[in-house]
Amino acid sequence: AQSVTQLDSQVPVFEEAPVELRCNYSSSVSVYLFWYVQYPNQGLQLLLKYLSGSTLVKGINGFEAEFNKSQTSFHLRKPSVHISDTAEYFCAVTNTGGFKTIFGAGTRLFVKA
Amino acid sequence: DAGVIQSPRHEVTEMGQEVTLRCKPISGHNSLFWYRQTMMRGLELLIYFNNNVPIDDSGMPEDRFSAKMPNASFSTLKIQPSEPRDSAVYFCASSLDISGNTIYFGEGSWLTVV
Repeated sequence: AQSVTQLDSQVPVFEEAPVELRCNYSSSVSVYLFWYVQYPNQGLQLLLKYLSGSTLVKGINGFEAEFNKSQTSFHLRKPSVHISDTAEYFCAVTNTGGFKTIFGAGTRLFVKA
Repeated sequence: DAGVIQSPRHEVTEMGQEVTLRCKPISGHNSLFWYRQTMMRGLELLIYFNNNVPIDDSGMPEDRFSAKMPNASFSTLKIQPSEPRDSAVYFCASSLDISGNTIYFGEGSWLTVV
């Protein structure tokens, strides 16, 4: 069975500063990896995903993530955050060939002016 | 194209009452998921369907919970009888039947059991 650990429950950061949200996973088989974002009072929406190929994945709103197989990590980064990036971010994993997506506990990003 | 549609958006009910949450997936999607989100437990997968058939219901908390998908465009999640600890946001989501495909979430049904 696979699992996902998001190492920070909350990340406060000032506007225009860089941010990294950390995610580690465990699985005995190959996986697909995802980052979803949840704005207040809304459902989750996809930011980016890694299926195969280049380990650096670019997503919407200037976010990117890097798949590191040896460290079983998929950290999310943005070089300069905006107030509008304040939201909860979820890392998720699915076994290749499977359909059951497991979500991490979420990291609440709070961008301050 | 309309997204995943859930109803009701908000429901307040008394303990012991039956609650039915409804979901219309995105047209053409053949996988449907029900998730529950709480502060304590985060986002939990309750059940998922593929081609209207329940594939994995291991996340359903107990017999008070049941889910059905009578056709490709409709699903229900029922709680009977409801308890205060069932208070949560319930999300329905759908995707195409391709591993690694994006899951599209509805806006959620906010349930409060008093």
